[in-house]
Amino acid sequence: GQQLNQSPQSMFIQEGEDVSMNCTSSSIFNTWLWYKQDPGEGPVLLIALYKAGELTSNGRLTAQFGITRKDSFLNISASIPSDVGIYFCAGRSYSGGYQKVTFGTGTKLQVIP
Amino acid sequence: DVKVTQSSRYLVKRTGEKVFLECVQDMDHENMFWYRQDPGLGLRLIYFSYDVKMKEKGDIPEGYSVSREKKERFSLILESASTNQTSMYLCASSYLALLSPGLAGGPRNEQFFGPGTRLTVL
Repeated sequence: GQQLNQSPQSMFIQEGEDVSMNCTSSSIFNTWLWYKQDPGEGPVLLIALYKAGELTSNGRLTAQFGITRKDSFLNISASIPSDVGIYFCAGRSYSGGYQKVTFGTGTKLQVIP
Repeated sequence: DVKVTQSSRYLVKRTGEKVFLECVQDMDHENMFWYRQDPGLGLRLIYFSYDVKMKEKGDIPEGYSVSREKKERFSLILESASTNQTSMYLCASSYLALLSPGLAGGPRNEQFFGPGTRLTVL
């Protein structure tokens, strides 16, 4: 199946620092999604990107859909303790008669107060 | 707001037992999904369903089956649980059409997840 390479796998940052994480794929996607999962909970959608080159913000979060359609990044500015969690990228494509979402392996973020 | 609920947050079962994981959504979504989540592997799709009584295999269906008798309910069944099925199981639902190459567009059409069931098989 399709593979998404998400990096970094984990990161420790000081409160107030900016964070950047990205996903790359060997395949083209027509949608990129970013989810956050708090400990013990299911993932929650943060940002959805539908056009190549699109740059979208949601509060302190900014994400971009790469021009090649094979990558996306998520930035978090001025991190706070509640940003702790696992961030997943996901790409959607049309394959085998269905639209399918492929998830990255996640970036575990820890914020040091 | 969309609500996806799962019958148990934690389950402990023995090898060989038959296990049922239940998922219910309250937003009249057409599509429902079962994933398992393991450290370093992300979310992997087990089965999905785009309509009542319809089911399709995902990437890792072996050892699992599903049932969708009602639109709002999607069950995952482990016929004979094994230790390698110890995992976090996540259910999701979405409105987005699965059978069309076109985009329905809009974040509200994406997948909404339940809180997960952490299953341990001893």
